[in-house]
Parts: sequence; C-alpha cells; structure tokens
Amino acid sequence: GESVGLHLPTLSVQEGDNSIINCAYSNSASDYFIWYKQESGKGPQFIIDIRSNMDKRQGQRVTVLLNKTVKHLSLQIAATQPGDSAVYFCAEKESARQLTFGSGTQLTVLP
Amino acid sequence: DSGVTQTPKHLITATGQRVTLRCSPRSGDLSVYWYQQSLDQGLQFLIQYYNGEERAKGNILERFSAQQFPDLHSELNLSSLELGDSALYFCASSQHASVSGIRTDTQYFGPGTRLTVL
Repeated sequence: GESVGLHLPTLSVQEGDNSIINCAYSNSASDYFIWYKQESGKGPQFIIDIRSNMDKRQGQRVTVLLNKTVKHLSLQIAATQPGDSAVYFCAEKESARQLTFGSGTQLTVLP
Repeated sequence: DSGVTQTPKHLITATGQRVTLRCSPRSGDLSVYWYQQSLDQGLQFLIQYYNGEERAKGNILERFSAQQFPDLHSELNLSSLELGDSALYFCASSQHASVSGIRTDTQYFGPGTRLTVL
C-alpha cells in the first residue's frame, strides 16, 4: 500500500545551526503535504504545508521543499533553537483522501 | 493554542469499561477528525465527521464509535476497553468543504486525551 516514511528517526543539531528533516513518500498522486511538530505530551502543531503545484514554500524560520520527481519532502529549520526540540511528522494526502502520517523524526537541539 | 479543545486531558479506567472523549473544533471548522497515537504505531486515523455526518472511516474498531453534534462538537466513544486501547487520542478540525469544492486541508490538532486502561 501507499506509505509515507522518514529517512532518519533521530536528528541532533547544535543550537544556531540549520536543521533538515527529510521525508519520502510513495504515492505519486499525493497533492498536499504538511509538516507537524509534536512536543512531548502535546498535540501535533501545524508548521507549514505545500501543494504539489509548488516546489518550495517559506514560513517563519522554516522552509518546505518538495521534489516530486523523487517523491521527497524536506523541512528546513533555520537557526535551530532549543524550543525546536520535538518530533516532526510529515503527512501527505491525495485529493479527498485522508492524511497519511510518517513515523516521525526526533529533533534534539544541543546547547 | 490551536483553538481545538479536548476533554478530559487524562483518563484512567479498567478493562471492559466504556469512556467518552469530547472535542470542540476551532470556530468555523466543519470537519472533525479523530486519531489514535500509540507508542508503536504513530498517528492512526480513526474517523472523520463533516457537519454532523460521517465522512470517512479509517482504522476504527467496531468497539469504537463517534458522532458530531449540531453545535459541531464531537464525541468518541470507546467501549469494552482493552489494555491495548491505552493511547493518546487526538481530535483535529479543518474547514474542509468538499461539497463546495473548496479545499482547506490543514488540520489543527487538540491537546489530546491520554487514556490508560488498567
């Protein structure tokens, strides 16, 4: 079946460095992608989303890149801060279907 | 704060019991989604309601049911509870309005209910 997965289950970065979290998806018909951040004991928090008619979208300190050719999604966090430590989930959906979530990447920001 | 509220925050109960989880969506959102998050399975979609009607079903057990009321709040009922039902249960809402063709897919999650079945 279709699936969304993450390349790395854990990522550790130094405070102030940029972080890149990767996500592979297998459904070439997916047309909407979204990144969530989940801190311990809290619900997933929307970070940024992108539709398949775009390659790049920027938010505040975050950028999402979509490469449809290789079915790859990435989340870039600039100047990573301690408060960015969390689990990051990518999710994708095709048209009116439901969101399918990846397994998550644990980002740890080192002082 | 996403604007989605869930109660209770924590729930501890025994096997065989029945519980009800409650969710209030963001103001203006018509769709409500329920998810289960356990340590070994990540976020699993259970069911979606749109403006009071069931819209989509995911991996929801027959022992579980949900409904969305006229004021758009939703309840997830879990019955004949088993140890394996212990998990975080999240509600999310969106403005999704497929009937009109308008797609606003962003789902905003509530803080969740942690269910522990002993």
